[in-house]
Amino acid sequence: QKEVEQNSGPLSVPEGAIASLNCTYSDRGSQSFFWYRQYSGKSPELIMSIYSNGDKEDGRFTAQLNKASQYVSLLIRDSQPSDSATYLCAVLNMEYGNKLVFGAGTILRVKS
Amino acid sequence: EAGVAQSPRYKIIEKRQSVAFWCNPISGHATLYWYQQILGQGPKLLIQFQNNGVVDDSQLPKDRFSAERLKGVDSTLKIQPAKLEDSAVYLCASSRRRTGIEGELFFGEGSRLTVL
Repeated sequence: QKEVEQNSGPLSVPEGAIASLNCTYSDRGSQSFFWYRQYSGKSPELIMSIYSNGDKEDGRFTAQLNKASQYVSLLIRDSQPSDSATYLCAVLNMEYGNKLVFGAGTILRVKS
Repeated sequence: EAGVAQSPRYKIIEKRQSVAFWCNPISGHATLYWYQQILGQGPKLLIQFQNNGVVDDSQLPKDRFSAERLKGVDSTLKIQPAKLEDSAVYLCASSRRRTGIEGELFFGEGSRLTVL
């Protein structure tokens, strides 16, 4: 079982819609969760972090965490063509030397 | 603030040849990471340094890969001899660790390696 799993996509949504990206992780000891965005040919950049159960909102982005279900999600409201990218879920487990483990990423395509 | 610098951006070599990548992290960042990203996959951690000490190198293929971070600043990742499956983008990242957000990594542009 992979440590961090994501649907590879592509996920296609129309402009203005809500994009929902999901991620599951295997290690119950994981404590911190991150979403990185990676444009084609570019490096990942951090867009959201979440540490406790519930929702965390930042502009058009909302991260959701459910530790009991080992599930993290990212919602993008009012999706724009500029949101088209690969979204990488990353999980940090401090018991294993603070190693940040990435999922394979979900490709998001926002169509205008 | 200057970002993470990496060089070269692109490198094409034949299998069994050697290659070296260089990284200069953001000034003041104590932790430096080398990740390997194969096309269509997420970044995989190869090695993590805290200052000039190794924190994690469990996924570094030590028979062919080596890395060093002298004086706790810049770092070099070497592959010798290269295999076809080493074709990937090698990403260097740094983080503040003690004073910043754990897990907030700042990535360089990456070094794209093609092994023929």
